Amino acid sequence: DAGITQSPRHKVTETGTPVTLRCHQTENHRYMYWYRQDPGHGLRLIHYSYGVKDTDKGEVSDGYSVSRSKTEDFLLTLESATSSQTSVYFCAISDRDEGSYEQYFGPGTRLTVT
Amino acid sequence: GQNIDQPTEMTATEGAIVQINCTYQTSGFNGLFWYQQHAGEAPTFLSYNVLDGLEEKGRFSSFLSRSKGYSYLLLKELQMKDSASYLCAVRDGDYKLSFGAGTTVTVRA
Repeated sequence: DAGITQSPRHKVTETGTPVTLRCHQTENHRYMYWYRQDPGHGLRLIHYSYGVKDTDKGEVSDGYSVSRSKTEDFLLTLESATSSQTSVYFCAISDRDEGSYEQYFGPGTRLTVT
Repeated sequence: GQNIDQPTEMTATEGAIVQINCTYQTSGFNGLFWYQQHAGEAPTFLSYNVLDGLEEKGRFSSFLSRSKGYSYLLLKELQMKDSASYLCAVRDGDYKLSFGAGTTVTVRA
């Protein structure tokens, strides 16, 4: 299994508070991704990174920011959490974004915004 | 935008065969993936198709027709542990993955 962890695994927070989720990998993979998964929507890309300090927006980036200061860590920040951001968040990594190189997913973080 | 459709639910009997269809309309195409996701767990990779035809991996096979925007995942000799959600994902022209909403397969004894 790819070495990828997420922290925290569960979090309950109040509307308006900032929240940071961490993704950590030990595979030295170049690409890292943040997705959210909601019933009826499948996995949707929030932000991704193609190298240290290189990030770009995905399909549902509003309200989220990311940072990658080291190859192994990719942080997702909700500046001011809203109830619509209650979701399960998955981090994924990939060595390359082409060919048969698949994405490996972390265990997920269940976030509840009350 | 991307449009990926797959059935919401399917039920089959242990030992049987189930076929999960996926149709897609995306901006560009650079491969199609199938993932398996058990409840409360992370998705795990099952198969990859980029050329037309059938790819076989043990009890699982995946088929692709690029001209029809169509793929299917075939699960043979179903086992109880195959009860899970199956996700179809297409890598588009920007090399990003777009996922369908997933098909929940329930295997009954």
